[in-house]
Amino acid sequence: QKEVEQNSGPLSVPEGAIASLNCTYSDRVSQSFFWYRQYSGKSPELIMSIYSNGDKEDGRFTAQLNKASQYVSLLIRDSQPSDSATYLCAVAGGSYIPTFGRGTSLIVHP
Amino acid sequence: KAGVTQTPRYLIKTRGQQVTLSCSPISGHRSVSWYQQTPGQGLQFLFEYFSETQRNKGNFPGRFSGRQFSNSRSEMNVSTLELGDSALYLCASLGGERTGELFFGEGSRLTVL
Repeated sequence: QKEVEQNSGPLSVPEGAIASLNCTYSDRVSQSFFWYRQYSGKSPELIMSIYSNGDKEDGRFTAQLNKASQYVSLLIRDSQPSDSATYLCAVAGGSYIPTFGRGTSLIVHP
Repeated sequence: KAGVTQTPRYLIKTRGQQVTLSCSPISGHRSVSWYQQTPGQGLQFLFEYFSETQRNKGNFPGRFSGRQFSNSRSEMNVSTLELGDSALYLCASLGGERTGELFFGEGSRLTVL
């Protein structure tokens, strides 16, 4: 049973701070890692994908992957109230069908 | 480029009825996946269709079925509805097998009374 674990939160950060979201996974042969953002009442939207160890930056977002520790994280710099949403971590192996975590709720307060 | 289109957006059914949901993927995308999302279980994979064939299947009972047409549009059907089938049903278009990136439609919210 492939598992993807996330802290459900909520994670509350002040506007302008760095939000750090974490995810661990159980399947050692996982190859693809994703972060999706889901606003309340909306569908998930892909914001980051990462495939190799290290950091990947895209604007205010940085994804970090450590396959040895089976750990992937998402950093959001200069957090804005509009970043308030649920962030879903997804992990895929050879079948490319991702397993999703249950998500971390992020609240950015002014 | 149009995104993933799902219909209907909202529907209410009663126990024992059946429901059919429709999904049109992004133009050129041939793989369509279906997910069920509930507050208790999160996002759960139902099945994936590629070139009119079911290629992968999750752990859902046989009441949940799907199909894909030659134009890549897909439908999923739930028969003999139960209260626990109330959920957001999401269709996703696969951006590429190398990337594994999914692009979701807005979902069909099903309420079973």
